[in-house]
Amino acid sequence: AQKITQTQPGMFVQEKEAVTLDCTYDTSDQSYGLFWYKQPSSGEMIFLIYQGSYDEQNATEGRYSLNFQKARKSANLVISASQLGDSAMYFCAMIGANFNKFYFGSGTKLNVKP
Amino acid sequence: DAGITQSPRHKVTETGTPVTLRCHQTENHRYMYWYRQDPGHGLRLIHYSYGVKDTDKGEVSDGYSVSRSKTEDFLLTLESATSSQTSVYFCAISESTVLAGPYEQYFGPGTRLTVT
Repeated sequence: AQKITQTQPGMFVQEKEAVTLDCTYDTSDQSYGLFWYKQPSSGEMIFLIYQGSYDEQNATEGRYSLNFQKARKSANLVISASQLGDSAMYFCAMIGANFNKFYFGSGTKLNVKP
Repeated sequence: DAGITQSPRHKVTETGTPVTLRCHQTENHRYMYWYRQDPGHGLRLIHYSYGVKDTDKGEVSDGYSVSRSKTEDFLLTLESATSSQTSVYFCAISESTVLAGPYEQYFGPGTRLTVT
C-alpha cells in the first residue's frame, strides 16, 4: 500500500522567513513521483513542484524547493522568503509508476504572519 | 491555466436520488481523475481513467461509478446519493506517466455537493 504522511496540521511563519513543510511517504514502487500542491481559501488546487524518484537533484520552482531524501522516504517542501499570499493549505502527494493513482496527504495549513 | 471545467459547481440533492457530475477538458490529456475532499482526509481518489472507456477504481470507489465515452468528458455518478457523500469533488487531468517525467496534474475548480 502507498501512503503519504504530513505530521504538521498547522504552522506559522513570519513573513520573509523560510519554512519547511514535512512529508514522508511509503511505497514499494521503484519508480514514483512526488508532488506538492497549494490550496488557498478560495478552494482551487495549484500545482507547485514535482520530483521524480530517479531525479538526483532536488526540484526547484522559484521560491519552492523539494528536499528529497530517498533513503528516509521524505519529500519536504521548502518555501523561501515567505509572503502573505503563501497562507494556504499545502498537500503532499505521490504517484506510482504503474497505476497512475495519486495518493494525497491530509495537508498542512500554513499561516504567514506580517 | 489548463482548460478544465466542472458542472455543476454546486448542488444540493436528497438522499436516494441519482447525481451525475461532469468534468470537461480541452487539453486532450489522456488521464482523468475524480477525487473527493473532506476535512481531515485531504484528497482521496474515487476513480480514474487512462483512456476512452478505460477506467479503474481508486481507494474510495464504493457508491460511485464513472464513464468516459469521449476524451474530453469524464462523468461521475452517484447512483443513490447518501449523506456520507456530501463533499467537494475535484476532477483532474494529466498527460504522461512518471516514467516520462516531468509530470503535472491539473485540477478543475471543484463541485460542492450536499446530500440532505
